[in-house]
Amino acid sequence: QSALTQPASVSGSPGQSITISCTGIRRAVGGHDYVSWYQQYPGKAPKLLIYAVTNRPSGVSHRFSGSKSGNTASLTISALQTEDEADYYCNSYTTGNTRLFGGGTKVTVL
Amino acid sequence: EVHLVESGGGLVQPGRSLRLSCAASGFIFDDYAMHWVRQAPGKGLEWVSGISWNSGSVGYADSVKGRFTISRDNAKNSLYLQMNSLRTEDTALYYCTKDVMLTWATGYFDSWGQGTLVTVSS
Repeated sequence: QSALTQPASVSGSPGQSITISCTGIRRAVGGHDYVSWYQQYPGKAPKLLIYAVTNRPSGVSHRFSGSKSGNTASLTISALQTEDEADYYCNSYTTGNTRLFGGGTKVTVL
Repeated sequence: EVHLVESGGGLVQPGRSLRLSCAASGFIFDDYAMHWVRQAPGKGLEWVSGISWNSGSVGYADSVKGRFTISRDNAKNSLYLQMNSLRTEDTALYYCTKDVMLTWATGYFDSWGQGTLVTVSS
């Protein structure tokens, strides 16, 4: 059982904004800022979207943004597009000396 | 351009062993930590193991601790995962990933291979 909890699915219409949460135990998420987010299309390798909670690698759309409040990190996708349909995963270091992924969130564009 | 190519996957019986390899190119291999991440069919991502740039520090998921061993050969730009006492629940696509830090614990995964499939079944 993952210590990072994500909603199984989130949906939205084109143009809307959606937010995916990643809730963890205090020592995983709340104690530091080593949170990253990944996007994965079916049959493809994951791709880094956000690192260190809020930072975007070069080439990632500005429509993707990250934030954190307390023990919950969040990924927001603005101006939702059909190409955003994918699975999204958060990841963090835990003070139990491991790295953890959240269970993943399937985003559906209605 | 970073290139990571995994190999060594296949069909293996429960209790047997398998060794995965990852050939890296396009970056200075010994400047970065490396990891293995797996994904069971139809399931989410699971971090398996990480190793620092000089092999001085390693980490494992609880699910593989004591059975799997990560290693690297910086002279050969290669990462390895020795998997012993394999279980059916180890069946997954195993990805080799590059970190952005020297150490494995606190970075993130900025490059991924395409994965090698391990199937554990009798």
